[in-house]
Amino acid sequence: NAGVMQNPRHLVRRRGQEARLRCSPMKGHSHVYWYRQLPEEGLKFMVYLQKENIIDESGMPKERFSAEFPKEGPSILRIQQVVRGDSAAYFCASSPPQGRSDTQYFGPGTRLTVL
Amino acid sequence: AQSVTQLGSHVSVSEGALVLLRCNYSSSVPPYLFWYVQYPNQGLQLLLKYTTGATLVKGINGFEAEFKKSETSFHLTKPSAHMSDAAEYFCAVSETLSGGYQKVTFGIGTKLQVIP
Repeated sequence: NAGVMQNPRHLVRRRGQEARLRCSPMKGHSHVYWYRQLPEEGLKFMVYLQKENIIDESGMPKERFSAEFPKEGPSILRIQQVVRGDSAAYFCASSPPQGRSDTQYFGPGTRLTVL
Repeated sequence: AQSVTQLGSHVSVSEGALVLLRCNYSSSVPPYLFWYVQYPNQGLQLLLKYTTGATLVKGINGFEAEFKKSETSFHLTKPSAHMSDAAEYFCAVSETLSGGYQKVTFGIGTKLQVIP
């Protein structure tokens, strides 16, 4: 049973470009969470999605950031017009449908570097 | 609102010595508590978790943690440190929000160094 998969593992962008981060949850999992880890800091919650729905985006910056989890395919975290402060590790986690698990399973992360 | 405090962003122990990583939490509801480990350039791996029942929880790699409600603590311990334990450790608390999902809050992490 494959774990949570994220790609790319490393992404380099220049200021002003767009970054697209992908997350494929574990098989059977329908809940996806995105976290950001800035250097020397813990993980900060960004957004929680279920298939085709954003449930909680209270941790998402109001501008330039968006997330989706379509009916088919991976979840996408999109950052438009990246700035140097967006450089961080972005982690995706997944969990089974509601009520079946209290644990989130993490992917290996995407390390974004903005030049 | 829930929060997690990890005392000591860096901890050094000698190989074979006791490992003690401290975690205190605040939560308005009975918490679920977790410890995760992160090796360099990798994702988070679950070490152990407390949900209900026995307050002493055993995890992987010989780690254990004890939930102490009166102290709002969930400290992580291991009797004898091994070189392979060098990593960053995150304490986390989760609560169930309306809609049934678990919102997780992480501490800032503690980097464990093991000295030969």
